[in-house]
Amino acid sequence: DQQVKQNSPSLSVQEGRISILNCDYTNSMFDYFLWYKKYPAEGPTFLISISSIKDKNEDGRFTVFLNKSAKHLSLHIVPSQPGDSAVYFCAASDYTNAGKSTFGDGTTLTVKP
Amino acid sequence: EAQVTQNPRYLITVTGKKLTVTCSQNMNHEYMSWYRQDPGLGLRQIYYSMNVEVTDKGDVPEGYKVSRKEKRNFPLILESPSPNQTSLYFCASSPRVNTEAFFGQGTRLTVV
Repeated sequence: DQQVKQNSPSLSVQEGRISILNCDYTNSMFDYFLWYKKYPAEGPTFLISISSIKDKNEDGRFTVFLNKSAKHLSLHIVPSQPGDSAVYFCAASDYTNAGKSTFGDGTTLTVKP
Repeated sequence: EAQVTQNPRYLITVTGKKLTVTCSQNMNHEYMSWYRQDPGLGLRQIYYSMNVEVTDKGDVPEGYKVSRKEKRNFPLILESPSPNQTSLYFCASSPRVNTEAFFGQGTRLTVV
């Protein structure tokens, strides 16, 4: 049972446009969500997070939206830049299950110049 | 520089030969984890540790062991590696629950 799903394996957008990456989850106990970016031959790096008490968190060009009723979150990148081309992982955890994190399969974003 | 260091970065070994992948962090983080990444399967948690001498199983613990004798180190031990453990492994640390994780650069393991 995959509790965190990223249904789009890949996404291609033009430089300057918006990139929207999606993530769905099934476990209603999840209360903290994160997005990580991964370049080839490197470890994932943290991008942005959101607590379940919020529905939006913004950091520069990156915004994460959380829809708890739909168990859905999305990452918006505006404007997209070629350097944003990477694999993006959605992750979730719940405080009562401290230390345990669940990741999605990842979405490969390609931003074309 | 704050970092998570894994060694080795690349390893080819034979079935059944015990190996250890080391992981060290210099950020005084309480939480440490091991993940494996396989094509189409994302990152799956193997084991995690909430503090010294406290470890617990993640989603795919079979065939692995860990220990946390010191706060900074969290080695991953494969007592008898098998080809299905060929994967890309990542160690990560976090300061506390529900915060971002800092990842090492990864260890690519091939078991033949």
